[in-house]
Amino acid sequence: SQQGEEDPQALSIQEGENATMNCSYKTSINNLQWYRQNSGRGLVHLILIRSNEREKHSGRLRVTLDTSKKSSSLLITASRAADTASYFCATANPSSGSRLTFGEGTQLTVNP
Amino acid sequence: EAGVAQSPRYKIIEKRQSVAFWCNPISGHATLYWYQQILGQGPKLLIQFQNNGVVDDSQLPKDRFSAERLKGVDSTLKIQPAKLEDSAVYLCASSWGTSGGNEQFFGPGTRLTVL
Repeated sequence: SQQGEEDPQALSIQEGENATMNCSYKTSINNLQWYRQNSGRGLVHLILIRSNEREKHSGRLRVTLDTSKKSSSLLITASRAADTASYFCATANPSSGSRLTFGEGTQLTVNP
Repeated sequence: EAGVAQSPRYKIIEKRQSVAFWCNPISGHATLYWYQQILGQGPKLLIQFQNNGVVDDSQLPKDRFSAERLKGVDSTLKIQPAKLEDSAVYLCASSWGTSGGNEQFFGPGTRLTVL
């Protein structure tokens, strides 16, 4: 199964609400990254959290990492219609060099 | 700073034909990646170059896929012959460093349809 599995697969919310997406992984990691992909576009890096960090903020984004549970969450606060996209977590583990392993993604729809 | 460039953006071919994709990474980035993204799935790494050497091609179907990175800059990915299941978006990415899962910068991708 995939290293890096997002939950839920799809999420639909109203503008202004918060969106939370979860990611679980199976092996030890160096870091975990979140990317966004708008329809028909390439991926855009959002945030990187290292294995020795527990929480990180960037603007309206908040990422947590629990290495004991092998899970991470991405919180988008005060969502906007422009946040509509697919969100992927990706893990870098010590045995695979700089290779990132991506999950299947969460499709977020923010309704105006 | 210019981003990662890819061409073509779209390609439609028939099965058993050949196709090639081109990527120009961000200037100065040592590492270049090719990913395959099937509709509804996350990207899957096909091959990773560090400068002009191959670092990881463990998931590249070498019987039909090949890639090169000339002079450590531009790269081409070729499929010969294509199969129906190769229909996907092919993403190129680059990063400045070579260790520990650096932030990767992605191009817009090439959407391949094999009929």
